[in-house]
Amino acid sequence: GAGVSQSPSNKVTEKGKDVELRCDPISGHTALYWYRQSLGQGLEFLIYFQGNSAPDKSGLPSDRFSAERTGGSVSTLTIQRTQQEDSAVYLCASSLAGPGASGGSTDTQYFGPGTRLTVL
Amino acid sequence: LAKTTQPISMDSYEGQEVNITCSHNNIATNDYITWYQQFPSQGPRFIIQGYKTKVTNEVASLFIPADRKSSTLSLPRVSLSDTAVYYCLGEGTNSGYALNFGKGTSLLVTP
Repeated sequence: GAGVSQSPSNKVTEKGKDVELRCDPISGHTALYWYRQSLGQGLEFLIYFQGNSAPDKSGLPSDRFSAERTGGSVSTLTIQRTQQEDSAVYLCASSLAGPGASGGSTDTQYFGPGTRLTVL
Repeated sequence: LAKTTQPISMDSYEGQEVNITCSHNNIATNDYITWYQQFPSQGPRFIIQGYKTKVTNEVASLFIPADRKSSTLSLPRVSLSDTAVYYCLGEGTNSGYALNFGKGTSLLVTP
């Protein structure tokens, strides 16, 4: 079946503009995750959704970052008033169940190809 | 977030066995241990998962001691294409582990 897809694959924007990044998870996956990876760095957790709600927003770096998920499916990560330090690859993942699900093996994460954001 | 600890980097020659150890002292009773592999310009992908003792698949083996405070990913006879970053996570009841990929272990395989 289809994997996780993200769009756009690349986004170049000017400092101060708003951007929206989209993630389409695997059908039937209840959990959806957003991560950020800067050049040469590991994956930095941003936010995760269980259904349409976000139990953990602890990773959002500032109030310029927000995310929503509608219909338990597609998610959008919005960055307002972008700054140069926002330049990174933004990765989305989904899993059948979320962290904290009993049994443990159902929350293996499947990643999309990412969106490379460049803020000039 | 709960944290796993791995070496930052490792080097190996082609054909050698590579063992990467990860410590996860506070892993919860119901958590599984999962390893991911990330190639440049791609998202991480699942390679192996286990709960205790030994798990083997076509890609790797995973050794987990009885106390489950650590795990070792074993890659037999590595090739150049195994050059990647490897992350270990605890997945299950402890969300702190499941979301904290950190920097992983960067493995470089050379001829």
